[in-house]
Amino acid sequence: GNSVTQMEGPVTLSEEAFLTINCTYTATGYPSLFWYVQYPGEGLQLLLKATKADDKGSNKGFEATYRKETTSFHLEKGSVQVSDSAVYFCALNAGYIPTFGRGTSLIVHP
Amino acid sequence: EPEVTQTPSHQVTQMGQEVILRCVPISNHLYFYWYRQILGQKVEFLVSFYNNEISEKSEIFDDQFSVERPDGSNFTLKIRSTKLEDSAMYFCASTKNDGVGELFFGEGSRLTVL
Repeated sequence: GNSVTQMEGPVTLSEEAFLTINCTYTATGYPSLFWYVQYPGEGLQLLLKATKADDKGSNKGFEATYRKETTSFHLEKGSVQVSDSAVYFCALNAGYIPTFGRGTSLIVHP
Repeated sequence: EPEVTQTPSHQVTQMGQEVILRCVPISNHLYFYWYRQILGQKVEFLVSFYNNEISEKSEIFDDQFSVERPDGSNFTLKIRSTKLEDSAMYFCASTKNDGVGELFFGEGSRLTVL
């Protein structure tokens, strides 16, 4: 079956540090890949997406590139802010059951 | 901007009681989902619904759970006889296109079973 593996958290960074959250996936077919963000007390919101190999999704300074050869979709941001503190979920949709990773908590200190 | 709405935002119930969680998906969406998230843990798939029937369900979605779309707008999750371990945040989601579409989530309904 399909699965998503994310790096364990929490990830703790100082403001303006570089962020990478690793995500790898296993899927049949050609899934679309997503990063969702969950701020404290809220639901999940789409952060960015990529629908085919080599596509780069980007939003709010975050980027992720769909790498078919390594089955990865790592999330990056060059300079994090305190307001980026949240839980980040990598997900895939291959046409049956949208599948989520376990989530990675990001804590950004001033 | 259209959004998925869920009610109630928080429900406290006694073990063994029936609970109904309600969702209003985005109006032109065709695929509907329920996920749950036990505090601090991963987002777990429960069930997907298309064309007025269940299309997929997980092992979690046993006989105690049911879903229906009683009218053109609401999508409900019923838990017949709640257990302590049903305490979680339940998220409804919808999408227009299965396969490549992003999911639009509601803000969740927190269920606390005492």
